[in-house]
Amino acid sequence: EADIYQTPRYLVIGTGKKITLECSQTMGHDKMYWYQQDPGMELHLIHYSYGVNSTEKGDLSSESTVSRIRTEHFPLTLESARPSHTSQYLCASSEKVSDTQYFGPGTRLTVL
Amino acid sequence: KNEVEQSPQNLTAQEGEFITINCSYSVGISALHWLQQHPGGGIVSLFMLSSGKKKHGRLIATINIQEKHSSLHITASHPRDSAVYICAVKNNYGQNFVFGPGTRLSVLP
Repeated sequence: EADIYQTPRYLVIGTGKKITLECSQTMGHDKMYWYQQDPGMELHLIHYSYGVNSTEKGDLSSESTVSRIRTEHFPLTLESARPSHTSQYLCASSEKVSDTQYFGPGTRLTVL
Repeated sequence: KNEVEQSPQNLTAQEGEFITINCSYSVGISALHWLQQHPGGGIVSLFMLSSGKKKHGRLIATINIQEKHSSLHITASHPRDSAVYICAVKNNYGQNFVFGPGTRLSVLP
């Protein structure tokens, strides 16, 4: 079982609020990823990091930002939540040499 | 055309049936990843393939690089196999995976 954690699991919040979704892994993986998934749809990469102080935007444009100050921690922040941000957000990590991705349980975000 | 396509989109089977899920892609790839997503949303990795065939328990994954096609087979299916099965590919010039739309499998007792 993968040691990758996400909090909160569920979040309902009002428009305009600032939120941070937490993701932590204890496997020492260099690579970490954030995906967005709408119900019944495919995963889309929104951010990734190949190591500390390295972050890149993914294929899907997102108003969120990320940081990677520590290897094990990759938080995602929305400065001003909107209803269009309602979705599931999945965090994943992988080793530098292996492409196998280990996923967290996800955060289901609802913005009212 | 999407870079990764899967068929069927939905599949219902009776317990014990042999199941095949297909994945086709349009570009040259360096790796293909099969994943399983349970109704609660959690995703687990099943196989990582770059050639040939891999087997783990009742699951078998094959890939044909020339035909740009991979299959995931489940033998002696069980209701606990009910999930969405996702194919993802890393193309030769990319650094990250592109995900297919998934195949929703329901195995009835």
